[in-house]
Amino acid sequence: DGGITQSPKYLFRKEGQNVTLSCEQNLNHDAMYWYRQDPGQGLRLIYYSQIVNDFQKGDIAEGYSVSREKKESFPLTVTSAQKNPTAFYLCASSIRQEMNTEAFFGQGTRLTVV
Amino acid sequence: QKEVEQNSGPLSVPEGAIASLNCTYSDRGSQSFFWYRQYSGKSPELIMFIYSNGDKEDGRFTAQLNKASQYVSLLIRDSQPSDSATYLCAVNDAGGSNYKLTFGKGTLLTVNP
Repeated sequence: DGGITQSPKYLFRKEGQNVTLSCEQNLNHDAMYWYRQDPGQGLRLIYYSQIVNDFQKGDIAEGYSVSREKKESFPLTVTSAQKNPTAFYLCASSIRQEMNTEAFFGQGTRLTVV
Repeated sequence: QKEVEQNSGPLSVPEGAIASLNCTYSDRGSQSFFWYRQYSGKSPELIMFIYSNGDKEDGRFTAQLNKASQYVSLLIRDSQPSDSATYLCAVNDAGGSNYKLTFGKGTLLTVNP
């Protein structure tokens, strides 16, 4: 079955640690996105990528980093510089980054700082 | 920053009624609009998209778009308790050639049996 797989589903981070969230898709989509969702809030864009080896900052990129070495993979690293990382992280992909293409989401990773 | 506004609710309707969810957007140049449903603790799933002014129907769901008023809505007919969820409005926002989805904060809908 085609889809977007995020792992792990739950992740706990100690203060000062970097952690990496995995996102893999087998839909052959060109564009991939990372969003953050806080309780009672909408989705805020962290980073997005149109093609391999290229990505752009979204609205809240500070304290995060990404890579796009393969078309199917777009991992997100939450660095120690992100002061309030506890949130629900959602990865999405779309066929291409054009006006009329919808995004499909993975199941999310819930990150908690302990 | 371009904005997408939704009434946070909660919107409560009885089973069988019509639920009306509204969304306004700030960028007059936006061209495509999406409605996602998100159950508590789950990821968003696409319900409908609309690109042209007017109505678009899919089963019990109707999306309505008025670009002049910068307004998009979602009507759910014959509401069911299983429709209880947060509904997110998303607008495809073109920053140069980099299209990306901007989301509203969502409206929580509760359908009472």
